[in-house]
Amino acid sequence: AQRVTQPEKLLSVFKGAPVELKCNYSYSGSPELFWYVQYSRQRLQLLLRHISRESIKGFTADLNKGETSFHLKKPFAQEEDSAMYYCALRGYSGNTPLVFGKGTRLSVIA
Amino acid sequence: GAVVSQHPSWVICKSGTSVKIECRSLDFQATTMFWYRQFPKQSLMLMATSNEGSKATYEQGVEKDKFLINHASLTLSTLTVTSAHPEDSSFYICSASEGTDGYTFGSGTRLTVV
Repeated sequence: AQRVTQPEKLLSVFKGAPVELKCNYSYSGSPELFWYVQYSRQRLQLLLRHISRESIKGFTADLNKGETSFHLKKPFAQEEDSAMYYCALRGYSGNTPLVFGKGTRLSVIA
Repeated sequence: GAVVSQHPSWVICKSGTSVKIECRSLDFQATTMFWYRQFPKQSLMLMATSNEGSKATYEQGVEKDKFLINHASLTLSTLTVTSAHPEDSSFYICSASEGTDGYTFGSGTRLTVV
């Protein structure tokens, strides 16, 4: 069964501090992992995906198949990073839907 | 980039009536769209996969006769909540895939059934 686990509902950090949002997954094959962000009163936006291996807004995430994790990291948090973050996966079997974690609300304190 | 337009943004309806929500891909063709439901402070739960020109595929526990999905063209999918009840009140979000790229989400529809 496909499952995405985000253990933290809320994460509060001070501005300038490092951030790590945890994500673990369960999938029998080779999934594709994503991070989506939802700012206040805005729609979900793609933040990054593991296959592109790029850094967006200073965020990075590395797929660790051994630990089945895809943690999101940023070395120095900014106030504008405050948002809801969702980890998601899909299988490599065509046009399949995303399976989402429950989300983590990041609050960056000035 | 790709844009998905969802309408209406919010709707209030009386119990027992039906509500239609539209999801349009504005600058790309979407053979497949997905409908999600999100309860307050919870994650997005997939309701169904909408396939252009064929029947939708519903997730377990989702009543297909209650949540009617029509995907008559490559740019439009509709979700109709029939005989709505207060427990159907929720945030409904559609999503479309651009193929091998990521997914684009609509802005969501907040349904309140009174």
